[in-house]
Amino acid sequence: EDVLTQSPGTLSSSPGERATLSCRASQGVSSSHLAWYQKKPGQAPRLLIYGASTRATGVPGRFSGSVSGTDFTLTISRLEPEDFALYYCQQYGGSPTFGHGTKVELK
Amino acid sequence: QLRLQESGPGLVKPSETLSLTCTVSGASIGSSNYHWGWIRQPPGKEPQWLATIYYTKDTYYNPSLNSRVTISSDTSKNQFSLRLSSVTAADTAVYYCVRRDIMILAFDIWGQGTMVTVS
Repeated sequence: EDVLTQSPGTLSSSPGERATLSCRASQGVSSSHLAWYQKKPGQAPRLLIYGASTRATGVPGRFSGSVSGTDFTLTISRLEPEDFALYYCQQYGGSPTFGHGTKVELK
Repeated sequence: QLRLQESGPGLVKPSETLSLTCTVSGASIGSSNYHWGWIRQPPGKEPQWLATIYYTKDTYYNPSLNSRVTISSDTSKNQFSLRLSSVTAADTAVYYCVRRDIMILAFDIWGQGTMVTVS
C-alpha cells in the first residue's frame, strides 16, 4: 500500500501568514498522482489541488501545490479566516489512499 | 448543477449488511467521462476509499475490505450503490459518494455524506 505521511500534525498560524503543509509519499507514488483536499467540520472534503500542482475549479490562487521527488507541498500564501481547517493529501496511482491530515488552527 | 445524494439507514446492527445508494443529478453515470465511488471517514480518522465503478460496470475495491464490499450501478435510475457485509463497530463512519473525472483522476465532486453507526 502506498503510504502518505503528512506533517506537521497541527499548524498554528494567524490570518495573513503563510502556511506550508507537507506530504511525503512512499516510493510507489507518481509525482502527478497526488491531490490535496480541505475538510471542514460537517462538510464533505473539497478538492483543492490535483496532479500535484493544478488548482481545481474555483479554488483561490492563494493555494498552490508543488512536488520535489516524493515530497509534496501545499502552500497557502496568506491565510484567510476560512482557511482554518483540516487538509489531506491523497494519492491515486493505485488503490487510492489518504494521509492522516494536517490541522491548520488559529494561533 | 451536479449533485450527489447519499441515502440509506443511519443505524446498522453488527454482522448485518450496510446498504447505501447515491442518486446523481446533473450528470449521467453512464458517461465515459466519469467514475463513481464510495469513500468513508470514521470519526477522528482520515478518509478511506472503498470502491469505484466505471461506466463499463468494471469495479475496483479496497483490498483491505476483502470481499465484504460490493458496488453496483443502475443507469436507468442514475444511481449507484454500496453494500458492506458483516459490519462491526469499526465500520461506523460518514459515508460519501464521489465522482472522479477521468481527466483529473482525483475525487472532484462529493456528496454531503451520511453517518452510519453500527450498534
